[in-house]
Amino acid sequence: GAVVSQHPSRVICKSGTSVKIECRSLDFQATTMFWYRQFPKQSLMLMATSNEGSKATYEQGVEKDKFLINHASLTLSTLTVTSAHPEDSSFYICSATGPTDNQPQHFGDGTRLSIL
Amino acid sequence: DQQVKQNSPSLSVQEGRISILNCDYTNSMFDYFLWYKKYPAEGPTFLISISSIKDKNEDGRFTVFLNKSAKHLSLHIVPSQPGDSAVYFCAASDGDSNYQLIWGAGTKLIIKP
Repeated sequence: GAVVSQHPSRVICKSGTSVKIECRSLDFQATTMFWYRQFPKQSLMLMATSNEGSKATYEQGVEKDKFLINHASLTLSTLTVTSAHPEDSSFYICSATGPTDNQPQHFGDGTRLSIL
Repeated sequence: DQQVKQNSPSLSVQEGRISILNCDYTNSMFDYFLWYKKYPAEGPTFLISISSIKDKNEDGRFTVFLNKSAKHLSLHIVPSQPGDSAVYFCAASDGDSNYQLIWGAGTKLIIKP
């Protein structure tokens, strides 16, 4: 099946640090990638949608200057949490779909971000 | 306003028996439904999907049933195995080209030996 690789799987850093998370589709062209955040015992919350070569579309309440998303190629999207603070600690998951419509989303294994 | 609802937070089933996970939705524009399985600290894994033009889709031990008039879908797992213990999410899409998914809250399935 389709494989999506997300890296790193775990990050622990000090408050004020910027953290970059990578999401790669390994065996298909990901025309659309999604970034989710999951709080404990809650469902996935969509943060933003990115189409290759276009600016990301952010969900209401998600700060685009805080969570920078780049989708420069059909196989790579990055999420940068800028000047991270303890309240940004969470589990971040990416997914990818493509190259045609009506393909299931395939998920990375997520990144556990802990800000001290 | 929850457009996709999974009203059972957890479900316990004996190994070998049938597991039935339920999902209700409110948006009649949804035309594609998916089930994902998720283990702790991992991303969701796609299991099975169904288009609104069908009422049943089967893949091995997994069958999804869709009742459009009731706006209800269910996932049947038979026979249930210990490895099926996970959180199961129902998701729906209205066919937007961005294929954004609306997620249910998940049901934790526990398979008892």
